[in-house]
Amino acid sequence: EVHLVQSGGEVKKPGESLRISCQASGYSFTNYWISWVRQMPGKGLEWMGRIDCSDSYTDYSPTFQGLVTISVDKSLSTAYLQWSGLKASDTAKYYCARLIQTGAAAGTFDNWGQGTLVTVSS
Amino acid sequence: DIQMTQSPPSLSASVGDRVTITCQASQDIGNALNWYQQKPGKAPKVLIYDVSNLQTGVQSRFSGSGSGIHFTFTISSLQPEDIATYFCQQYDVLPFTFGPGTKVEI
Repeated sequence: EVHLVQSGGEVKKPGESLRISCQASGYSFTNYWISWVRQMPGKGLEWMGRIDCSDSYTDYSPTFQGLVTISVDKSLSTAYLQWSGLKASDTAKYYCARLIQTGAAAGTFDNWGQGTLVTVSS
Repeated sequence: DIQMTQSPPSLSASVGDRVTITCQASQDIGNALNWYQQKPGKAPKVLIYDVSNLQTGVQSRFSGSGSGIHFTFTISSLQPEDIATYFCQQYDVLPFTFGPGTKVEI
């Protein structure tokens, strides 16, 4: 069974750095991409970017380009989302999701992590 | 970016009702359209992929149709466990984009 388990909630101050994680199990990690999706309080879903877990190739939404970094550690079957200088406006729940990239259902987020709540407040 | 709009933003219906949600893309996306269900406090879950294909394990009362710009999601007989927000998502062009959601209440 596919599982994506995310790291726990974080409370940070503006300007601090942060890395959250998404550990995958139950499938061949390098055969899929991972995307990150932001959900601000009471709002909709925003796609942030995706990473090919086999070679770390990344695409970012223009909204998030330069603001976050997506990476993977294949040896740990884990994807990461990191910030170097958080803002209060980064307060949100962040989901990782497995992205089907080829064949039937390409472009579909078929498995999701439970979400990581990031709170940025002075 | 491709803008996705949904209507209505919210709806209230009774158990057993037929519920229909529409999704419109700002440009032709062919069949590159998925539907997700998000229950309060939970992660989204894919219900329909490629406009009309039911994800494995999803109840057959959910269905989708459309192509190009206009798409429809239907719950044939609303059940209490269907209380959730429903999002459409296009994957024709990066960045992937979601509709704003439709909140379904009973």
